[in-house]
Amino acid sequence: EVQLLESGGGLVQPGGSLRLSCAASGFTFSNYAMNWVRQAPGKGLEWVSVISGRGGNTFYADSVKGRFTISRDNSKNTLYLEMNSLRAEDTAVYYCAKAQGTMTIYYDMDVWGQGTTVTVSS
Amino acid sequence: DIQMTQSPSSLSASVGDRVTITCRASQGISHYLAWYQQKPGKVPKFLISAASTLQSGVPSRFSGSVSGTDFSLIISSLQPEDVATYYCQKYNSAPFTFGGGTKVEIK
Repeated sequence: EVQLLESGGGLVQPGGSLRLSCAASGFTFSNYAMNWVRQAPGKGLEWVSVISGRGGNTFYADSVKGRFTISRDNSKNTLYLEMNSLRAEDTAVYYCAKAQGTMTIYYDMDVWGQGTTVTVSS
Repeated sequence: DIQMTQSPSSLSASVGDRVTITCRASQGISHYLAWYQQKPGKVPKFLISAASTLQSGVPSRFSGSVSGTDFSLIISSLQPEDVATYYCQKYNSAPFTFGGGTKVEIK
């Protein structure tokens, strides 16, 4: 069974940093691009970032560009999101999501994790 | 960047009604459009890929269509378990923008 399990969320002060992890199982992790998607309280879904299967291509939403870094360790089947210079508006549930297909990043997301909550507040 | 405009933002319909949700792309995105369902307090669920390909296990009352840059999610006969917020998402190029969502309720 394909599973994604996020961790690393918590309460952080404005300007602080946090690293989220997403542990994957049940599929050949290195074959698939992976995404981060977030949802602020009571709001809609916001795509955050994507990384290709081998990690060579990354893209970011303008709202996080220059502050967030997506990465992966295929030997550990784990996806990461390093978040710096955090702002109140980054408060959200963060989901990792697997791309449906292989070879490129241009796929929809067929499997989602349960999410981890990030709260940015003093 | 390409914008995704979803409408309506909410709707209320009776059980058995046909419901249509629309997502308009500001530029052409070919068929690179997905639909997701998010029930209250739950993780988003992948419904439709490539504008019209129903995912395994999704009831056949759900369907998707495209006409140019206008995409539709259709529920042919609304059921109580369909109460949820529905999102479209483009994935032809980054950023993989979501629409604003459509909240579906039972009248």
